[in-house]
Amino acid sequence: LAKTTQPISMDSYEGQEVNITCSHNNIATNDYITWYQQFPSQGPRFIIQGYKTKVTNEVASLFIPADRKSSTLSLPRVSLSDTAVYYCLVGVPNTDKLIFGTGTRLQVFP
Amino acid sequence: DSGVTQTPKHLITATGQRVTLRCSPRSGDLSVYWYQQSLDQGLQFLIQYYNGEERAKGNILERFSAQQFPDLHSELNLSSLELGDSALYFCASSVARGQGYGYTFGSGTRLTVV
Repeated sequence: LAKTTQPISMDSYEGQEVNITCSHNNIATNDYITWYQQFPSQGPRFIIQGYKTKVTNEVASLFIPADRKSSTLSLPRVSLSDTAVYYCLVGVPNTDKLIFGTGTRLQVFP
Repeated sequence: DSGVTQTPKHLITATGQRVTLRCSPRSGDLSVYWYQQSLDQGLQFLIQYYNGEERAKGNILERFSAQQFPDLHSELNLSSLELGDSALYFCASSVARGQGYGYTFGSGTRLTVV
């Protein structure tokens, strides 16, 4: 069964780069890894998705090593509005289940 | 607006009652996923439907059931409610799994059992 773990919390200051890692030791081989941002009492919001190596969009980068046992979300130059909980989402092998990581609460300070 | 519509936004009911939560997926999406998020907890996978057919089940209680209708909207039925069922319930939709599409979430239904 896929198991995903993330650091419980991280602190940063405005303008810094933040890297959040999700460890997923056994995930579906044909599925993507997706990261979401969630503010209190709101639905998760899609940030970025990738299958392997590196993916970059206008808000983040995603690094996935060849063994796909982890993924790292990189947020460049965070701002106060990036304070939120960040989740990775992965597929469980041989099923259609999608499960979230444990979530990382990012606090950005001025 | 994500394009995924959940109703109602808030629901307060008593223990032992039954409620129905509704989810309308984005236009064109065939898959619907349901998740439960208790206070300050993570998102727990409940169940998934694809084009009307149940495709995956998580740790969904026997008191809970769901279905996806021909028009692709989905309903999550919660019965014999307990205080511990109080949570945010989210649905998400996608065209299909494994095709590189992000899964879009609705804004959730907050259920309070008193």
